Amino acid sequence: DTAVSQTPKYLVTQMGNDKSIKCEQNLGHDTMYWYKQDSKKFLKIMFSYNNKELIINETVPNRFSPKSPDKAHLNLHINSLELGDSAVYFCASSQADRGLGAFFGQGTRLTVV
Amino acid sequence: KNQVEQSPQSLIILEGKNCTLQCNYTVSPFSNLRWYKQDTGRGPVSLTIMTFSENTKSNGRYTATLDADTKQSSLHITASQLSDSASYICVVSDLPRGLTGGGNKLTFGTGTQLKVEL
Repeated sequence: DTAVSQTPKYLVTQMGNDKSIKCEQNLGHDTMYWYKQDSKKFLKIMFSYNNKELIINETVPNRFSPKSPDKAHLNLHINSLELGDSAVYFCASSQADRGLGAFFGQGTRLTVV
Repeated sequence: KNQVEQSPQSLIILEGKNCTLQCNYTVSPFSNLRWYKQDTGRGPVSLTIMTFSENTKSNGRYTATLDADTKQSSLHITASQLSDSASYICVVSDLPRGLTGGGNKLTFGTGTQLKVEL
């Protein structure tokens, strides 16, 4: 009964390809996030969705587009992948009005070659 | 600009010893502060969450403190174990959406890399 699940766990692809990472949470939370963790292990927020509405977009390139078909899912689509996109991407969810800690997925290690 | 700074950047201690990790923040308005443990290759896992009115909170061998006046927090690990080797991340949240009109935002520290050795 994984609370926040991401797929795939590993993704190796060539430059210029388009890829998607899926995320699902079964906690009933109303807010979901995508984070990028770079080689220095620093987590940086990319997007936040609250009840299917985009709340935060931390000026990431528009090649990255989050898609939320419903409250339990927040997928990340990346167009025209570049070498610099290689990183670990984490999905997370939280319940905003209760101030609960965010629950994180296991991460997707993306390698662009 | 909201910021969260952690120190030290890395730390090596012997098994059984205690250690304290520091977190200073400038996030405003403040909602809560969380400490996460991230094992290599895994997602962060929440250790403690503290709101403005809480000064200390424990979770087993982990004890977090919060001084909202000075905007400082610490995570104390007692009787360290090899399995404590991980990155410890301090995360501060602003006020939830209902109060500010915007979504709550998490500001992450850069983490402290702890290694526990025999």
